Amino acid sequence: DQQVKQNSPSLSVQEGRISILNCDYTNSMFDYFLWYKKYPAEGPTFLISISSIKDKNEDGRFTVFLNKSAKHLSLHIVPSQPGDSAVYFCAASFSGSARQLTFGSGTQLTVLP
Amino acid sequence: EAGVVQSPRYKIIEKKQPVAFWCNPISGHNTLYWYLQNLGQGPELLIRYENEEAVDDSQLPKDRFSAERLKGVDSTLKIQPAELGDSAVYLCASRGPSGELFFGEGSRLTVL
Repeated sequence: DQQVKQNSPSLSVQEGRISILNCDYTNSMFDYFLWYKKYPAEGPTFLISISSIKDKNEDGRFTVFLNKSAKHLSLHIVPSQPGDSAVYFCAASFSGSARQLTFGSGTQLTVLP
Repeated sequence: EAGVVQSPRYKIIEKKQPVAFWCNPISGHNTLYWYLQNLGQGPELLIRYENEEAVDDSQLPKDRFSAERLKGVDSTLKIQPAELGDSAVYLCASRGPSGELFFGEGSRLTVL
């Protein structure tokens, strides 16, 4: 049973436009959510996170939105740049799990020049 | 600051052979994880260490997989014997004070 789902395996966006990556979760105990970015042949790197007490967190071109009632979060990248092309993983945890992360299956973002 | 270091980066072995992966976490990070990542999937937890203690190894296939972190710093993950289905990337991560995980570059295993 996948507790964190990324239903879009891939997304293509034109350079300068907005990229929106989506993630759904089923475990209502999750209270901390993270996005990781992964380039080929490298390990995932932390991008941005959000606590369940917030509904938005922004860091430069990256904004994460959390909709707890819908158990949905999204990552917005604006403007998108070719260097943003990577696989993006959504992850979630809760305090009772010692902050162990459960990952989604990832979305391959391609930003076209 | 050095990141999480893993070796080897790539390993090709024949089935039924043993293989071992090594991880050196970021200095001062007490929590260490081994994750398995299959192609097209997200990382899946194999084992979590708090210092030298394995506090969650419920997802580790104990018939062929073993891990250790004897001095609470470096860790090794071993597979013996390897099977075709073990071909994957094995990721090591350590946890920072804010809770985010820092990953190594991974060890890509190919079992022929």
